[in-house]
Amino acid sequence: AQSVTQLDSQVPVFEEAPVELRCNYSSSVSVYLFWYVQYPNQGLQLLLKYLSGSTLVESINGFEAEFNKSQTSFHLRKPSVHISDTAEYFCAVSDWNSGYSTLTFGKGTMLLVSP
Amino acid sequence: DSGVTQTPKHLITATGQRVTLRCSPRSGDLSVYWYQQSLDQGLQFLIQYYNGEERAKGNILERFSAQQFPDLHSELNLSSLELGDSALYFCASSGTLGGGDIQYFGAGTRLSVL
Repeated sequence: AQSVTQLDSQVPVFEEAPVELRCNYSSSVSVYLFWYVQYPNQGLQLLLKYLSGSTLVESINGFEAEFNKSQTSFHLRKPSVHISDTAEYFCAVSDWNSGYSTLTFGKGTMLLVSP
Repeated sequence: DSGVTQTPKHLITATGQRVTLRCSPRSGDLSVYWYQQSLDQGLQFLIQYYNGEERAKGNILERFSAQQFPDLHSELNLSSLELGDSALYFCASSGTLGGGDIQYFGAGTRLSVL
């Protein structure tokens, strides 16, 4: 069975500071990895995904994540955060099993950006 | 806007009652997923349908059931409701069964059981 651990439930940071949100996963098979973001009172939106190829993936709004197979990690980073990045971030893992896929989420990390 | 529509947005009901949550997937998407989000359990996968057939089951209680209709919309039925069923219920859709498929989420239905 697969599982996802997000080590920090909350990360407070000042605007324009760098941030890293940590994610570790466990799975017995090849995985696909995702970061989703949830703004207040909204559904989840895909931020970025890793399927294969380059281990560094980037989103259009400055976030990036690096897949590290040996450490089974997929940490999310941004070099300079904005107030508007305040949201909850979910790491998720999916595998292919018997012809269907399921998405397993971590418990989420609340990113709090203050001026 | 993800293209996934969930109704109603809010639902307040009493213990022991039954409710139905509705989801319309993105145009062309064949897969529908249901998730429950609560403070203590986080986001839990409940069930997946693909083109009208059940394909995967997660932590779904026996009191809960779902179906996907020929027009691909889906309904999640929750019966004999308990206080602990109060949560945000999300529907998501994707184009195929692929593990690498992006799932697009609706805005959710907030269920309050009093």
